[in-house]
Amino acid sequence: KNQVEQSPQSLIILEGKNCTLQCNYTVSPFSNLRWYKQDTGRGPVSLTIMTFSENTKSNGRYTATLDADTKQSSLHITASQLSDSASYICVVSANVDDKIIFGKGTRLHILP
Amino acid sequence: EAGVTQSPTHLIKTRGQQATLRCSPISGHTSVYWYQQALGLGLQFLLWYDEGEERNRGNFPPRFSGRQFPNYSSELNVNALELEDSALYLCASSKGGREFAYNEQFFGPGTRLTVL
Repeated sequence: KNQVEQSPQSLIILEGKNCTLQCNYTVSPFSNLRWYKQDTGRGPVSLTIMTFSENTKSNGRYTATLDADTKQSSLHITASQLSDSASYICVVSANVDDKIIFGKGTRLHILP
Repeated sequence: EAGVTQSPTHLIKTRGQQATLRCSPISGHTSVYWYQQALGLGLQFLLWYDEGEERNRGNFPPRFSGRQFPNYSSELNVNALELEDSALYLCASSKGGREFAYNEQFFGPGTRLTVL
């Protein structure tokens, strides 16, 4: 069964600290993996997209990694800011049947 | 460049009524996608339209339907509303001509549907 599991479900850190969010998937055959940031009440915004051959992708203070062998991805946020408070959603696409599987997201709270 | 727009922002209906949600894609995008995001759940894929045709639909009952107009804008219709239809409905658009899995989707702000 195609699944995307994210952890932790929620995370609270102090402003300026780093954090890492995890995404494990069982989607097959794998096409690509995206990380989205979703502010409360807003639509998701794409942060990174990685295909099978890519194992790291950066977007400013956001760095995503992908291990296609273990089917794991992480999103590392450096020097967190209050504006990073949001839900972060991992999305995995399969090569067949037009499948896009969304994780439930990690809710990140940055405290001043 | 204007992003994906959705209307209305909020919609309140009673059980059994019909709801119509609207989406305008980014200029130049021919594909429109609809998703449901219920409280505490991940996004659930509803429908995909490309060049005016329904290309794929998720695991939702037939009372969820929609269409895409010649200008690539789209409507999502939900008939016989049920309480559990209360959710944020997100529309996304992308350039067409590629497989679903490769299209980068840009999301709108969503319509919050509340069924009483």
